[in-house]
Amino acid sequence: KAGVTQTPRYLIKTRGQQVTLSCSPISGHRSVSWYQQTPGQGLQFLFEYFSETQRNKGNFPGRFSGRQFSNSRSEMNVSTLELGDSALYLCASSSGLEQETQYFGPGTRLLVL
Amino acid sequence: SQQGEEDPQALSIQEGENATMNCSYKTSINNLQWYRQNSGRGLVHLILIRSNEREKHSGRLRVTLDTSKKSSSLLITASRAADTASYFCATGRNKLTFGGGTRVLVKP
Repeated sequence: KAGVTQTPRYLIKTRGQQVTLSCSPISGHRSVSWYQQTPGQGLQFLFEYFSETQRNKGNFPGRFSGRQFSNSRSEMNVSTLELGDSALYLCASSSGLEQETQYFGPGTRLLVL
Repeated sequence: SQQGEEDPQALSIQEGENATMNCSYKTSINNLQWYRQNSGRGLVHLILIRSNEREKHSGRLRVTLDTSKKSSSLLITASRAADTASYFCATGRNKLTFGGGTRVLVKP
């Protein structure tokens, strides 16, 4: 099976712009989660989608949003970018069942100037 | 916020030596997972240990879990240069909470 894919891999934006990141989960997986990784805060959970519904949400401002399509692909959007949004954004997929492993994609590295 | 802390934060060993890192967490868990990350890339799943398990092995990896102490350890035996990476423990179901990670450097 192909792994989790994320596009784009690298992105440079300026403050105030908005950005959309994409994630394609492993075939058959219905849960997609997003994480932000920064040197200061480490790995932090953003949100999780299961069957096109947001099932869990982390403590991030409303500028961070996401959605999931019927084919389980997911997108996350960050509006009004701030310098502090520079980070590695990781997507993970799983079957969505209890105690199941999450499989991560390679990440999208976002730099906000 | 982080669920717990990992100890040590960094570890430097020679190839062939064993590497041990520890993870502590704060709340009760159903399972605990260990991941590896190479140079700021994606996370690779290493092993999942359930709350009713005390020890688990996978190749050169050995994980222990002590729910009474809310702690887990990851042992990498006979380390190789390719084991150089950051290692993270994580708890939770579909909303993972990660420790701060241990950076491991294996010198050839």
